[in-house]
Amino acid sequence: DTEVTQTPKHLVMGMTNKKSLKCEQHMGHRAMYWYKQKAKKPPELMFVYSYEKLSINESVPSRFSPECPNSSLLNLHLHALQPEDSALYLCASSQVGGREQFFGPGTRLTVL
Amino acid sequence: QKEVEQDPGPLSVPEGAIVSLNCTYSNSAFQYFMWYRQYSRKGPELLMYTYSSGNKEDGRFTAQVDKSSKYISLFIRDSQPSDSATYLCAMSANSWGKLQFGAGTQVVVTP
Repeated sequence: DTEVTQTPKHLVMGMTNKKSLKCEQHMGHRAMYWYKQKAKKPPELMFVYSYEKLSINESVPSRFSPECPNSSLLNLHLHALQPEDSALYLCASSQVGGREQFFGPGTRLTVL
Repeated sequence: QKEVEQDPGPLSVPEGAIVSLNCTYSNSAFQYFMWYRQYSRKGPELLMYTYSSGNKEDGRFTAQVDKSSKYISLFIRDSQPSDSATYLCAMSANSWGKLQFGAGTQVVVTP
């Protein structure tokens, strides 16, 4: 199984809502990533988890809160987002060392 | 100056032609080089991965890395309309998995 799955596919939320994005992989990878991608731009790294511990936070605002409950799951908790946070949120996984990263299909988030 | 430069295109080619894509970079510490394909509104798909300099072939795809020139290329032979997508180069210097992406080149293959 070489698939990374993400739910939901689409999410619309207001600025006062709390929602969560979910990511799952069963490739035995122990590194997982969250990226944000705006239209016609490359993905921007947000967070890296290595062995279920947060290893990189790219100065992401606290309204984004990652969580790695186990080696297969990665969540991104969202609270009090701004309209400019609307984007495609991508999850990826890899072996620790991170060379070949495998991406999920993404969650398209719209903040009203 | 960006660490990784990639022409955003669009690059339009007729079906059956060779698609030639490239990226240049400035950080000599980059050792791992990848090409991703991304269809509209989908996640990136890993196409090719190479370590250090050299060539790698996989079906219709050939990746080349020239570290002395800080230049990487991707060639797609016998292009098909289904190859129409954005192609992103990515590279990494260290073991933490932080990839540096190019801007992505939009490719359009016309029937």
